[in-house]
Amino acid sequence: QVQLQESGPGLVKPSETLSLTCTVSGGSISSYYWSWIRQPPGKGLEWIGYIYYDGSTSYNPSLKSRVTISVDTSKNQFSLQLTSVTAADTAIYYCARRVYHYDGSAYYLIFDYWGQGTLVTVSS
Amino acid sequence: QTVVTQEPSLTVSPGGTATLTCASSTGAVTSGYYPNWFQQKPGQAPRALIYSTSNKHSWTPARFSGSLLGGKAVLTLSGVQPEDEADYYCLLFYGGAQVFGGGTKLTVL
Repeated sequence: QVQLQESGPGLVKPSETLSLTCTVSGGSISSYYWSWIRQPPGKGLEWIGYIYYDGSTSYNPSLKSRVTISVDTSKNQFSLQLTSVTAADTAIYYCARRVYHYDGSAYYLIFDYWGQGTLVTVSS
Repeated sequence: QTVVTQEPSLTVSPGGTATLTCASSTGAVTSGYYPNWFQQKPGQAPRALIYSTSNKHSWTPARFSGSLLGGKAVLTLSGVQPEDEADYYCLLFYGGAQVFGGGTKLTVL
């Protein structure tokens, strides 16, 4: 059973950088896409971006200028950095696995496993 | 900016059928948007239910099904149970980007 666990500071000061790590256990980080998603308190889900195990990335255009996602295959981890944070970045941050699968006749895009989430508050 | 729209709320009686939809501001939703559906209960992480329009995960109850209808992705719950009360989110894929719908709050009453 694949498990994902987010870790990092729960409190970040405005204008500083938010840094989170997602540790993958029960399976390899290789051959999959790994995503970050966030959810402000009481609001909906927002996709932040993803990284493929080879290091290629895609980011939400609204956050692209402030986001960097990286991967460390030796540690089975991937990380999120969000710069110049404000109170609007206060949210539960989730990591999740995305699978792009071809079964010989059709392609499938699958979000399957999620971490439990970690609350990050931006406040001085 | 691409917007994915869901009904904000829906109320259904136990044993009834709930139909949740997911529309794209870019036009009709097709299988090429690989619609995924998630269930989220209070205080919990989202749980994947449906992928690529209509495929169920091994843990997805049989009463949940996904389809395309009228240019939208649809999540149908047949024989709704009290434990199905939750928020439901759809996710559409636009090339390299992904966009979540705003979510539907399903009340079982």
